[in-house]
Amino acid sequence: ILNVEQSPQSLHVQEGDSTNFTCSFPSSNFYALHWYRWETAKSPEALFVMTLNGDEKKKGRISATLNTKEGYSYLYIKGSQPEDSATYLCAFKHNYGQNFVFGPGTRLSVLP
Amino acid sequence: DSGVTQTPKHLITATGQRVTLRCSPRSGDLSVYWYQQSLDQGLQFLIQYYNGEERAKGNILERFSAQQFPDLHSELNLSSLELGDSALYFCASSVTGTPYNSPLHFGNGTRLTVT
Repeated sequence: ILNVEQSPQSLHVQEGDSTNFTCSFPSSNFYALHWYRWETAKSPEALFVMTLNGDEKKKGRISATLNTKEGYSYLYIKGSQPEDSATYLCAFKHNYGQNFVFGPGTRLSVLP
Repeated sequence: DSGVTQTPKHLITATGQRVTLRCSPRSGDLSVYWYQQSLDQGLQFLIQYYNGEERAKGNILERFSAQQFPDLHSELNLSSLELGDSALYFCASSVTGTPYNSPLHFGNGTRLTVT
């Protein structure tokens, strides 16, 4: 059974703070890692698709890095805004798996 | 708007009953995935279809079944419902059968309540 972990479970930051959180996954047989943002009462929305060790992706104030050899990915948010409040999910797929395994998510609250 | 349509949005039914959840994938997407999110649990993969054929199976109960039709819409059938089946059921779609470079596009989900 694949184990995908995310930390912290939840996070409260002030508007303007920068923050980051972690997704940990098995380091062997890596295939792909996705990051999703899930706002309350909405559906998960794709942020990044990461496939290569050392990948760095950026979308506005949000960026992500990938280390497949050690089995982790970081998501960074620079200058958090209240609209960044959401649950951030990572989803991991390995070579022998047919489906993506989702982590439990990090719930971010940005206080104005 | 992801382009993935799920109906109904809410469903309330009694134990022992059978329900059907429907999903229309984003235009051009050939793959449909079903996920279940129960209280305090992450998204659990149920099943995937690609262009009408079952591609992968996850933690789907024998009481549950799904299919993908020629027009690519999919239905998830849940039968002999139990209280524990109450959950948010998501459908997602992607262009290919193995989304290496393409992300999953999620619908808004169907919230099922079994009483």
